Parts: sequence; C-alpha cells; structure tokens
Amino acid sequence: DVKVTQSSRYLVKRTGEKVFLECVQDMDHENMFWYRQDPGLGLRLIYFSYDVKMKEKGDIPEGYSVSREKKERFSLILESASTNQTSMYLCASRPSRGRGYEQYFGPGTRLTVT
Amino acid sequence: AQSVTQLGSHVSVSEGALVLLRCNYSSSVPPYLFWYVQYPNQGLQLLLKYTTGATLVKGINGFEAEFKKSETSFHLTKPSAHMSDAAEYFCAVSNQAGTALIFGKGTTLSVSS
Repeated sequence: DVKVTQSSRYLVKRTGEKVFLECVQDMDHENMFWYRQDPGLGLRLIYFSYDVKMKEKGDIPEGYSVSREKKERFSLILESASTNQTSMYLCASRPSRGRGYEQYFGPGTRLTVT
Repeated sequence: AQSVTQLGSHVSVSEGALVLLRCNYSSSVPPYLFWYVQYPNQGLQLLLKYTTGATLVKGINGFEAEFKKSETSFHLTKPSAHMSDAAEYFCAVSNQAGTALIFGKGTTLSVSS
C-alpha cells in the first residue's frame, strides 16, 4: 500500500517566516508533486520533480522553492511566508513517466499565515 | 494541450438518488482519465481510471464512469447516493508527456436525507 506522508496536518506561521513543508513517500516513486488547493480554484501545481535534485516549475511557482535530496523526500519551501499563501498544500507521488499512472496523495497540510 | 472541465461546482442529491458528476476533457492525444474523491480535510483518493480497453470503468464505493470519445466526456455515476458520498470530486487527465495529471476545479457533492 502506497503511503505518502506530510510532516504536519495544520501549521500556523507569521508573515515573513521561512516555512518548510515536508513530504515522504515509501514506494520508490520517481515523480513527486506539490499542489495548493483553494476554494473554487481546484488544485494548482506549484512544482514537481521527476528525479533526485531535478525540479520543474508548475503553474504557480512564484514565492516557492523545492528541494529533493533523496528520492523519497520532497520539500516545499516558502522563503518568506505571506498571507496570500494561506492554503491547503497537497503532496503527491507517482511512478515514473507514463500516462496511465495515477498519483498518490498525502493527507495535506493546512497552512495559515498571519 | 490537455484540459478538464467539470460542469457544476456543486451538486445536491437526496439519499438513494442517482449521482451524476460531469467531466469533459480536451486532449491532443488519446486521453488517460481519472476520478478522485476528497473527503473533508483529507488528501485525494483514486476512485477509478480509464487508460485503454473497456469504456465503462468500475471503481470503488459503487462508482463507475463511461469514456465517450465522441462526446469527449468521462462522467461519473452512482445509482444510489449514500450520505457517506458527500465529498469533493475531481476529474483529471494525464498530460501529453506523462509527467503529471491535469485536474478540473472539482465538484462538491452534497447528499441530504
């Protein structure tokens, strides 16, 4: 059974803080993703990674960076948190390239920036 | 380019009634299609997927979806709604490169007794 875990379910940070969101998957998947989810906007892709130390920008990368030093771990970094980054953040993983594969999601981190 | 449109951001049904959630896609290559469900404060869980072969796909919890190429649709149905089906549902299509899924904006299903 694939498991994707995220370091926190709920997080409250102050404006200007550096924030780390951690994601770990246990199925040796090559691809990992970070999304943010906002009411009425669905899921928007922030970054994804298809290998260690590889990353590609998604649709809304501004204000975010990522790190993938190990295959199982993909971190999302908010260099200087702002109130408009208050959102639900979802991590996902997927085995390799191939159009028939589904993505497996973590439980999400609800981040509030005050 | 690939895209997904979910018609209706909110659908309400009575318990025992038919559930129909609509999804239309656009794809420049043969589409691979997915439906996910998200219960409150949880991540997304795969309900079913269509890759190739049989166009009527059965998923978990009694849901099924039919791929109709001529209508570019992949609507999700369940014959009889249950209170526990109340959730948000997302339709998705694989991008052309096979690197990621492209999601619709979601449909919230409410079920009343």
